[in-house]
Parts: sequence; structure tokens; C-alpha cells
Amino acid sequence: SSELTQDPAVSVALGQTVRITCQGDSLRRYYAAWYQHRPGQAPLLVMYGINNRPSGIPDRFSGSRSGATASLTITAAQAEDEADYYCNSRDSSGNHEVVFGGGTKLTVL
Amino acid sequence: QVQLQQWGAGLLKPSETLSLTCAVYGGSFSGYYWNWIRQPPGKGLEWIGEINHSGSTNYNPSLKSRVTISGDTSKSQFSLKLSSVTAAETAVYYCARGRSGPNLAFYYYYMDVWGRGITVTVSS
Repeated sequence: SSELTQDPAVSVALGQTVRITCQGDSLRRYYAAWYQHRPGQAPLLVMYGINNRPSGIPDRFSGSRSGATASLTITAAQAEDEADYYCNSRDSSGNHEVVFGGGTKLTVL
Repeated sequence: QVQLQQWGAGLLKPSETLSLTCAVYGGSFSGYYWNWIRQPPGKGLEWIGEINHSGSTNYNPSLKSRVTISGDTSKSQFSLKLSSVTAAETAVYYCARGRSGPNLAFYYYYMDVWGRGITVTVSS
């Protein structure tokens, strides 16, 4: 089955820009989706497709991709952006499995 | 505004069968993938499986032998059964709506609506 790899933890100073990455072979065929997950809450979709933000997601969130790597960039990070971030796609090997990355804990300093 | 409401037993003994149901309110059951995902304490999200409106299912290979996801289109509900649970399967279980399709030279897959989650504890 396919795997998606994320850095376990990333930190950013308040107001600065941070990039969270996700690597996996399935991303050569599927766009990554990104979820913000705060403790005690349901995951929240923040990015999908080429660079699409669901309604209500601030425009400081943006997405990009290159080869087998997808990135979620937060420009001018805010304190409320501190959370776990997960990438996700469907496996491209044909078994129709859905996969999540291991998650990146974002700390806003 | 589509909402997912989930319910089921929150406390199980080892070897019992976990049973959860998720109801879809305010939106169509057709045209989407209906997923179950879980998160054990201190760990990441794990996909359990999905069903579409036609009843086709896909499961996480690591759980496939013990998982059954079923759907009731007349009620806009879908359910999860996981047999022979162990303490390691103590987790928050979420249901979520999945969307998939082609976009230019690629495909997309994302889950845009999530239930609030239900904590399932497996303990003797």
C-alpha cells in the first residue's frame, strides 16, 4: 500500500511563513488534501485539489505540489494555526485504499 | 449545511464487536464516499474504510478481515462494524464524507465534512 510521509513537528514564529510537506508516490497522480486537527475537535479540511480552500479557510493557507511532494504553506502564521496537520490522498496503485500522512505538529512560537 | 451525526457504543470488552452508525443530514447520500477514520490516543489518523451510495466498499488492508461497512440509502446512514476488538483499538472514531474525481491530469480525493467523533474504549 502507498504511504504518505510528513515531518513529525515544525515550528514557526508568529507572523512568519511555514511550509508543511507531504511525500508519497500517490501524489504523482492525486492532489493531496490537507486537514487541520486541533485537540478535541474533528479534523477540518483546509486545502484540496490544485490550490483550493474551502469556504471559511483564511487565504494565508495555500497549497502546491511538485512531483511526489505536496506542500501546505501558511503565510503570516497566527496563534490559532497551532495544530496537527495531516495530508491525505487515495492510493494510486489501484487498490483504492485511502491513506493519511503521519501528521505534522505545528507550533507557533 | 451538511452535517454528520454519529452514535454507537462507547465502551467495549476485548473480543467484542464495535458498532457505530453515522447519519447524513442536509445533503445527498449519492455521489460521495462515506468514510470511517479513527485516531488512537497520541497517534495519527487511520483510515478504516469507505462505502459509496452504490454499496461498493474499500477497506484498509490491515483491518479488512474484521471490518464491515454498510449503508442504508433510504435513511442516509452508514455503519461500521469491527469485530474482535482489542485494547489497542481504543480511539476516537470519525465518520466523514469523501469526494473524488479527475481534475486536469490528476485526481483529487478529500473529506470535506466530518462527524464530531465518538470515543470508543476497549477495556476488560
